[in-house]
Amino acid sequence: AQSVAQPEDQVNVAEGNPLTVKCTYSVSGNPYLFWYVQYPNRGLQFLLKYITGDNLVKGSYGFEAEFNKSQTSFHLKKPSALVSDSALYFCAVRDNSWGKLQFGAGTQVVVTP
Amino acid sequence: SQTIHQWPATLVQPVGSPLSLECTVEGTSNPNLYWYRQAAGRGLQLLFYSVGIGQISSEVPQNLSASRPQDRQFILSSKKLLLSDSGFYLCAYTRGGFTDTQYFGPGTRLTVL
Repeated sequence: AQSVAQPEDQVNVAEGNPLTVKCTYSVSGNPYLFWYVQYPNRGLQFLLKYITGDNLVKGSYGFEAEFNKSQTSFHLKKPSALVSDSALYFCAVRDNSWGKLQFGAGTQVVVTP
Repeated sequence: SQTIHQWPATLVQPVGSPLSLECTVEGTSNPNLYWYRQAAGRGLQLLFYSVGIGQISSEVPQNLSASRPQDRQFILSSKKLLLSDSGFYLCAYTRGGFTDTQYFGPGTRLTVL
């Protein structure tokens, strides 16, 4: 079965510093990986996905993610965090049937001024 | 462009009352549709998914049911709500391609008292 793990419950970072949110995956076959962000009482917003190709994927709002096959990781990164990046971030992996996604537990990002 | 709607946005219902949440998608045909529940502001649990009119797959046996009476309409129902049905309900869709992105609606906050 496909699964992802987000080892950090919360990440704290100062505004202007680099932000990294970790995700590791376990899949059989090719991994299709996604990152979403959720603001309070809102639906999930798609940030980026890895299907195939370049290991560095660029997404919305200045975010990018690095796919590392040897380490089975797909960490989300932003070079310079903003206070408005404070939100809940989810990593997900595509199940092999009907487009279902398996989500990680989520990582709360807190960016302080 | 595609959009996804959910209503109501918030709902407070007594235990034992019926439930009907609606999700509609615009701008695409024959989408795959999904219902999730998010409890305690974190983990996402897939409840139902549908790949066509009248086709419903249940992921978790429970007090809820789903229906898809039209191509772009997905309904989540219950005959008698339980306290444990409280949560944030999210509808999502994909356009059906194997590597397609799942897009989420704004969600419905359900409180059962």
